[in-house]
Amino acid sequence: RKEVEQDPGPFNVPEGATVAFNCTYSNSASQSFFWYRQDCRKEPKLLMSVYSSGNEDGRFTAQLNRASQYISLLIRDSKLSDSATYLCVLYGGYQKVTFGTGTKLQVIP
Amino acid sequence: DGGITQSPKYLFRKEGQNVTLSCEQNLNHDAMYWYRQDPGQGLRLIYYSQIVNDFQKGDIAEGYSVSREKKESFPLTVTSAQKNPTAFYLCASVQGPSYNEQFFGPGTRLTVL
Repeated sequence: RKEVEQDPGPFNVPEGATVAFNCTYSNSASQSFFWYRQDCRKEPKLLMSVYSSGNEDGRFTAQLNRASQYISLLIRDSKLSDSATYLCVLYGGYQKVTFGTGTKLQVIP
Repeated sequence: DGGITQSPKYLFRKEGQNVTLSCEQNLNHDAMYWYRQDPGQGLRLIYYSQIVNDFQKGDIAEGYSVSREKKESFPLTVTSAQKNPTAFYLCASVQGPSYNEQFFGPGTRLTVL
């Protein structure tokens, strides 16, 4: 089993729709979890951290479920500018940063 | 403005040549990383460095070398021993041991001709 698994997509959704991605992980020792956004041929940028209590930032909500070993990202009222690849990232110390392969989102007018 | 710079943005290399990719940060971050990204794959760690004059191999270090003579700089050399070097190379930094967020440079796209 891969350390981190994401559905590669693409998820094609109309503007204004709500879309959710999951990311499952196998290493229960992972300490911190993040969602990064990566635009085509650009570097990843931090979108938000993920906590067990949930984390909301505007239209974005992230959640961690340690018991089932997955993290989720919910995007409400999708905008065209949300089109990107979303990477889940697990952090277990300096030497243990694991990136998922990403989920591609395409928001359609 | 503080940030991470990588140069060049695009690099073309003939087979058998060594090339060096530059990574500089003025964020005063302790740790620096080199990743490689291939289409359809996640970022894979090549090398990382927690402090000056110290660095550790990542998952795919074979065919690569690094140095960390200054806190601000972490150059990566892609040697002729690297069998499939064509990829997107990303440099990142982290502020310190209590911090997790990775800040990335804009990347270097290396193509072997």
